[in-house]
Amino acid sequence: EAGVAQSPRYKIIEKRQSVAFWCNPISGHATLYWYQQILGQGPKLLIQFQNNGVVDDSQLPKDRFSAERLKGVDSTLKIQPAKLEDSAVYLCASSIISSYNEQFFGPGTRLTVL
Amino acid sequence: AQKVTQAQTEISVVEKEDVTLDCVYETRDTTYYLFWYKQPPSGELVFLIRRNSFDEQNEISGRYSWNFQKSTSSFNFTITASQVVDSAVYFCALSEAGYGQNFVFGPGTRLSVLP
Repeated sequence: EAGVAQSPRYKIIEKRQSVAFWCNPISGHATLYWYQQILGQGPKLLIQFQNNGVVDDSQLPKDRFSAERLKGVDSTLKIQPAKLEDSAVYLCASSIISSYNEQFFGPGTRLTVL
Repeated sequence: AQKVTQAQTEISVVEKEDVTLDCVYETRDTTYYLFWYKQPPSGELVFLIRRNSFDEQNEISGRYSWNFQKSTSSFNFTITASQVVDSAVYFCALSEAGYGQNFVFGPGTRLSVLP
């Protein structure tokens, strides 16, 4: 069974530029999550989708971050414009039904904002 | 709001020692789920265990065991006879049940097992 795929693996941008990350969850998984993990900290949930509806986006900085999950499968997370403090690893995860099920994580995208 | 505390930032042990990682949580929900995840140096988070709030039975899986105590809001993780491959960051996490579930990770404990 294929795992959660993410791309790109690494991205370096200048502040005020835009960036987008892509995630393909495990086939059949209804719930998809985006996390931000700053070095030395635990992952922070940015947004949770169930199929193509948003369950929780309370910690998403909506003035600069946006995410969508079209057709309830793949998802993209965008930052526009990026700030220095956005430097982090962005993790995508999926679970079969909801957040009380095991989450399967992708390898992450390491973003550096200069 | 829910919260997970892992007071131990870093622990170092020598191979074959036993080690316990502490996790204390806060929630107002009566139905919730607790998790442990491992993040090895490669970076990819790996699920270890899930417990629901109605199941206080302790669990053992090989060298790993978990002690869930609702009375103290703790869900501690013990590795027996630690090995170098156990070196990783370990995260405790909490999910409150219901739609609009809130999911939160603790700050993590970095475990170094020295040969």
